[in-house]
Amino acid sequence: DTAVSQTPKYLVTQMGNDKSIKCEQNLGHDTMYWYKQDSKKFLKIMFSYNNKELIINETVPNRFSPKSPDKAHLNLHINSLELGDSAVYFCASSQESSRGYTFGSGTRLTVV
Amino acid sequence: GNSVTQMEGPVTLSEEAFLTINCTYTATGYPSLFWYVQYPGEGLQLLLKATKADDKGSNKGFEATYRKETTSFHLEKGSVQVSDSAVYFCALRGSGAGSYQLTFGKGTKLSVIP
Repeated sequence: DTAVSQTPKYLVTQMGNDKSIKCEQNLGHDTMYWYKQDSKKFLKIMFSYNNKELIINETVPNRFSPKSPDKAHLNLHINSLELGDSAVYFCASSQESSRGYTFGSGTRLTVV
Repeated sequence: GNSVTQMEGPVTLSEEAFLTINCTYTATGYPSLFWYVQYPGEGLQLLLKATKADDKGSNKGFEATYRKETTSFHLEKGSVQVSDSAVYFCALRGSGAGSYQLTFGKGTKLSVIP
């Protein structure tokens, strides 16, 4: 069983479109995250939810909106996609006691 | 705020060479420290971790020791293999209550040639 699963794995779309990326974890973790990895492999946190409550909201355009229907799911919706949004987006989850994260395999978003 | 600095890559080594990837950090209190590995086209996997000073994390022949006096967590392996080619990330997580965020270094790409 995949611990943290993201869909889709690849997403190619045109500028101006709206798209969503879904994430689910079956580890029973309380906290979930979205990270963006740019072309130079730099990882930057975007959002974090703990038990469905938003706890980290870094400086990202408000075109990006996370939604957590329950603590096992954290989806990322992006409006009006721009070329600069092209990147790999990683979902992750953690439990306070272990302190480490478990990552999904990533969604490669390409905006054309 | 917390930060992680790791040596810039890329690093190219011959098979069976000794590997060191330097990592230093800035944080208040007693953070937990991690090394993650990202193989080509894949997500990040936890390689090893240490949660307090002088702890040594180890896995798959890799080791790193949490040195509070030098605020370092250098990654080492005695004999690298071609299959170790990947990007390695040093990371820390703060010690305070509600310290959820994992702060990453910029990553070091390792290429091992036969």
